[in-house]
Amino acid sequence: GQQVMQIPQYQHVQEGEDFTTYCNSSTTLSNIQWYKQRPGGHPVFLIQLVKSGEVKKQKRLTFQFGEAKKNSSLHITATQTTDVGTYFCAGRAEYGNKLVFGAGTILRVKS
Amino acid sequence: DSGVTQTPKHLITATGQRVTLRCSPRSGDLSVYWYQQSLDQGLQFLIQYYNGEERAKGNILERFSAQQFPDLHSELNLSSLELGDSALYFCASSVGGMDTDTQYFGPGTRLTVL
Repeated sequence: GQQVMQIPQYQHVQEGEDFTTYCNSSTTLSNIQWYKQRPGGHPVFLIQLVKSGEVKKQKRLTFQFGEAKKNSSLHITATQTTDVGTYFCAGRAEYGNKLVFGAGTILRVKS
Repeated sequence: DSGVTQTPKHLITATGQRVTLRCSPRSGDLSVYWYQQSLDQGLQFLIQYYNGEERAKGNILERFSAQQFPDLHSELNLSSLELGDSALYFCASSVGGMDTDTQYFGPGTRLTVL
């Protein structure tokens, strides 16, 4: 079945450093969504990418969808302590009907 | 606050028992999704209902069942509970049943099976 792999599993950065998490799907995706879950909280929708090669920005966050629509990345510039949490990607296969989540990347930021 | 409510917040029960988790979607949302989040399995999609009908099925065990009622709230029933069923159970809702819909997650129900 469809699998969505996410790396790294865990990253600990110094405040001000950049951070990137990568998401790879075993199948072509119709779209990919990114969520953030703060410690003790619930996943919160960040963004959705639909088009091949799409790039979207939200302040210090940059999201990319690969040309083949099988991978995606989230890049945070100059991390802040408020960025801590787990970042999940979630993709739906091109002819599928369910959203498959990656295992998530846990981000810790040292101040 | 996402507008999705889940009850109870915490549930402690014993192996072999049956529990019911409840979810009320955001006002106007027709789809409800259930997810299981455990430490070693991440966020696992269980099932989706759209306007009362089952729309998609994920890794839901046969011991688990769900339904969506005419008022659009949903219940997830877990029976013959095992230790491994201990997890956070999230409900999410979206406006429609389209694969591009944003999902809004509730605060979750933490189930502990002893």
